[in-house]
Amino acid sequence: EPEVTQTPSHQVTQMGQEVILRCVPISNHLYFYWYRQILGQKVEFLVSFYNNEISEKSEIFDDQFSVERPDGSNFTLKIRSTKLEDSAMYFCASSGGVGHTGELFFGEGSRLTVL
Amino acid sequence: AQSVTQLGSHVSVSEGALVLLRCNYSSSVPPYLFWYVQYPNQGLQLLLKYTSAATLVKGINGFEAEFKKSETSFHLTKPSAHMSDAAEYFCAVSDAGNMLTFGGGTRLMVKP
Repeated sequence: EPEVTQTPSHQVTQMGQEVILRCVPISNHLYFYWYRQILGQKVEFLVSFYNNEISEKSEIFDDQFSVERPDGSNFTLKIRSTKLEDSAMYFCASSGGVGHTGELFFGEGSRLTVL
Repeated sequence: AQSVTQLGSHVSVSEGALVLLRCNYSSSVPPYLFWYVQYPNQGLQLLLKYTSAATLVKGINGFEAEFKKSETSFHLTKPSAHMSDAAEYFCAVSDAGNMLTFGGGTRLMVKP
């Protein structure tokens, strides 16, 4: 069964460092997303991406964040200068295959720890 | 704007007892509604979804949910809890566009 894959599963970084989280969405999907979940809190929307551009973003997704789909298969989230409060589990998701009904398929997540 | 409220951040039931996890939503358009489950240290797995067909939706692992428009609810139930059901459950709403808005989650604990 097709699935969304994310790497790395866990990354530890120093405050101020750049981090790139990678995702391979399901191959025939058209919409891509990043969500995050700070430990013990709800899952929060960051950004959605369609047709090679951001379609929606939340107030969390400030200038420190960027996304791109560099090669038609990967979908990346970059945090330019990490802060302590960026520590969270980051989930990639995709949707929008044939006959899609709004269901998002999530990866297993990338846990980011900022020290 | 959409929002989801899950009443009860923690629910504890005995093994074999009824599971009821509450979800109320608000949406300006007919919603798509979802329940996701998150087991410890894992990602989000879809349990079931409502997409304007039957109002009673059956999902995996014996769970089901009923869409009640008049009550703006989409409560999740399971007749008999199993130890393996212990997890965090998230209700989510979509406007059939592409953004899911999640509730705060309910942690289900199952006592032997």
